[in-house]
Amino acid sequence: DAMVIQNPRYQVTQFGKPVTLSCSQTLNHNVMYWYQQKSSQAPKLLFHYYDKDFNNEADTPDNFQSRRPNTSFCFLDIRSPGLGDAAMYLCATSRTGSTDTQYFGPGTRLTVL
Amino acid sequence: AQKITQTQPGMFVQEKEAVTLDCTYDTSDQSYGLFWYKQPSSGEMIFLIYQGSYDEQNATEGRYSLNFQKARKSANLVISASQLGDSAMYFCAMREGMDSSYKLIFGSGTRLLVRP
Repeated sequence: DAMVIQNPRYQVTQFGKPVTLSCSQTLNHNVMYWYQQKSSQAPKLLFHYYDKDFNNEADTPDNFQSRRPNTSFCFLDIRSPGLGDAAMYLCATSRTGSTDTQYFGPGTRLTVL
Repeated sequence: AQKITQTQPGMFVQEKEAVTLDCTYDTSDQSYGLFWYKQPSSGEMIFLIYQGSYDEQNATEGRYSLNFQKARKSANLVISASQLGDSAMYFCAMREGMDSSYKLIFGSGTRLLVRP
């Protein structure tokens, strides 16, 4: 049974057209993360939520926003996608953050035309 | 300076043989955690194994074991009895600190190809 679910698996958008990626979890974990992974690169953390507390990485562009309406769901909003935002977006969760493993979803591959 | 170094961009191994994927790390923290993830071509990051900095014994999970050498700051992944399904990208990652650090720092990855 899938524990971290991402929808859609593939998303195509146009340059400048807002897009929202979705992540849900059945693990009841406190922490949810969004990573960006460009082709042939390591994942890069964009931000994370500990419960309702939002934590943005210093180098995450303002173009990227996130919402967590409840424990189970977290959204990644890209306000004006550029060609450079084409990437795999990975959602992960962990129970807390101290020593707990992060479990990843299958990812959403974003294409920007 | 890079925090996590994986020096092998690509590796080949014959099916049923063992393979070691290298990982070295750099930290001044006494408390940290080391992880290995597998990423098949489908894209999902699959957790394989975890080693805490205070763990005295090397971690093992089925066919995966972690050769942890603290003084050398290395955490190599050993896959025994390789299978065709092991062909994937493998990432070593580190989390520093034990209290409020949530960030995983990833290495650049090693692409493993298992030959039949």
